[in-house]
Amino acid sequence: DAMVIQNPRYQVTQFGKPVTLSCSQTLNHNVMYWYQQKSSQAPKLLFHYYDKDFNNEADTPDNFQSRRPNTSFCFLDIRSPGLGDAAMYLCATSWGAGQPQHFGDGTRLSIL
Amino acid sequence: KNEVEQSPQNLTAQEGEFITINCSYSVGISALHWLQQHPGGGIVSLFMLSSGKKKHGRLIATINIQEKHSSLHITASHPRDSAVYICAVLGLKETSGSRLTFGEGTQLTVNP
Repeated sequence: DAMVIQNPRYQVTQFGKPVTLSCSQTLNHNVMYWYQQKSSQAPKLLFHYYDKDFNNEADTPDNFQSRRPNTSFCFLDIRSPGLGDAAMYLCATSWGAGQPQHFGDGTRLSIL
Repeated sequence: KNEVEQSPQNLTAQEGEFITINCSYSVGISALHWLQQHPGGGIVSLFMLSSGKKKHGRLIATINIQEKHSSLHITASHPRDSAVYICAVLGLKETSGSRLTFGEGTQLTVNP
């Protein structure tokens, strides 16, 4: 049974049109992470939530935002996607900092 | 120089062969992940280890903390093992906020 669920698996949006990616978890984990992975590159951490505390990485672009309305759900909002934002976006969860991370299947975002 | 280096970058094997993928790191860590990623797919966590050796089915992972080195072994390899294998180290909380630092990945292809 999937424990970290990302929707949709594939998302296509237009240049500059806002898009939201979704992640939900059934593990009741405290920490949720969003990673960006471009082709043939390692995943790059964008930000993470520890409970309701939001932690942004220093080099995460300003047009990337996140919301965590409750323990189970976390959203990635891209306000004005550019062509360079086309990537696989991975959500992960962990019980706490320093604990094993459980990854979702990812959402592949394409920009037209 | 990357903080996490994997070798080889690409590996082709015949079905049934014994496979070894290596990972070296240069930072202090609290644990090390071995991850598997199939083409276009999400990431599956295979192991998290901080010392010694772990075994799961045909997969074996070892780590030598003093030498800052880990290996992932696959016995009796099968075409379905074809994937990218990623080494990721969990940094120390005081120096990296318990972030994962990823290696570049090893593309494994197992031919029938």
